[in-house]
Amino acid sequence: EADIYQTPRYLVIGTGKKITLECSQTMGHDKMYWYQQDPGMELHLIHYSYGVNSTEKGDLSSESTVSRIRTEHFPLTLESARPSHTSQYLCASSETGKTAPENHRELFFGEGSRLTVL
Amino acid sequence: KNQVEQSPQSLIILEGKNCTLQCNYTVSPFSNLRWYKQDTGRGPVSLTIMTFSENTKSNGRYTATLDADTKQSSLHITASQLSDSASYICVVSDRGSTLGRLYFGRGTQLTVWP
Repeated sequence: EADIYQTPRYLVIGTGKKITLECSQTMGHDKMYWYQQDPGMELHLIHYSYGVNSTEKGDLSSESTVSRIRTEHFPLTLESARPSHTSQYLCASSETGKTAPENHRELFFGEGSRLTVL
Repeated sequence: KNQVEQSPQSLIILEGKNCTLQCNYTVSPFSNLRWYKQDTGRGPVSLTIMTFSENTKSNGRYTATLDADTKQSSLHITASQLSDSASYICVVSDRGSTLGRLYFGRGTQLTVWP
């Protein structure tokens, strides 16, 4: 079982609030990712990080921001939440090492954070 | 445009029956194909990962096949159980991409009835 944790699992907030979704992994993975998933739709990459102090935007434009100050921690922040931000946010990490090409490595997901903005 | 299409969109079967889920992709150049199981309200969990040279891979009652020539994959579930009820997601990686840049299908929602 993957050791990657997301909190909160569920969050209901009002428009304009600032929120931070937490993601932590204890596997020592350098690479971490945030995906957004709406019901019945595919996952979309919104942010990724290849290590401490490294963050990049993903394929889907997002008003959220991320930080990577510690290897194990990759929080996502929305400065001013809107109803359009209502979605499931999934954090993931991938194993580090030279035993397999990078894009063959296992991707481990957290349980997700379900955000509802009223 | 690189795409991953899954069928059927949803499927209902009785406990103990077998089923096969399909995945067609246009991702090129192909690197690997993964199947994930996602329980409702949970994160996806990996079932199999297959590279170009592999055409069958099993994980317990799950067997994935890959035809890289026709760009098709299938996931066969044998002797289904109630706990198999979930969304099954096909994910394809191209050879030039980093791991985070994967192409996801929308999933097949499988419901197993007692």
